[in-house]
Amino acid sequence: GEDVEQSLFLSVREGDSSVINCTYTDSSSTYLYWYKQEPGAGLQLLTYIFSNMDMKQDQRLTVLLNKKDKHLSMRIADTQTGDSAIYFCAETGGGFKTIFGAGTRLFVKA
Amino acid sequence: EPEVTQTPSHQVTQMGQEVILRCVPISNHLYFYWYRQILGQKVEFLVSFYNNEISEKSEIFDDQFSVERPDGSNFTLKIRSTKLEDSAMYFCASSTGQENEKLFFGSGTQLSVL
Repeated sequence: GEDVEQSLFLSVREGDSSVINCTYTDSSSTYLYWYKQEPGAGLQLLTYIFSNMDMKQDQRLTVLLNKKDKHLSMRIADTQTGDSAIYFCAETGGGFKTIFGAGTRLFVKA
Repeated sequence: EPEVTQTPSHQVTQMGQEVILRCVPISNHLYFYWYRQILGQKVEFLVSFYNNEISEKSEIFDDQFSVERPDGSNFTLKIRSTKLEDSAMYFCASSTGQENEKLFFGSGTQLSVL
């Protein structure tokens, strides 16, 4: 079945770039997403990329998609302490369900 | 900004008891969802609901689970006889149903089954 995998932890210094990686198995994925979860809150959509795109730039976020390797990444430029959160990679094949990874917990050290 | 609200934020129950988790989706949204996350594990799809019926459900969503939209604003998840392994954070989400399927999530209900 469909699966999304991502590393569980990432630690960076404030001002550095963060790169969060994700792999997925569903070759029919239509949209791929990055969601952010802050403590005590629900998941909030940060950005998404359509499967026929290689890259999307959204302010400090750069999303790269390698469809051949089924690899998605999100780079956060100039990472701030307020970026500390859990980041979820997700995909949908156009059906009703979105498949999520387990989330990458980003720690930003001042 | 409109948001999805969930109540209660925490629910503690005894094994075998029935629980109802409540959600108020965003008012003009047409699709409603329940997801859950067991601690340290992935966010798992449970069920989607559209036009007053289930549109898709996962293997997790067995006969112990049911969903209902009892009125024009609420969307509920009922677990008939809770098991220890039902302990998780349950997220409600809604969407307009447009192509990119952007989901708006509530802040979740932490269910603890003792």
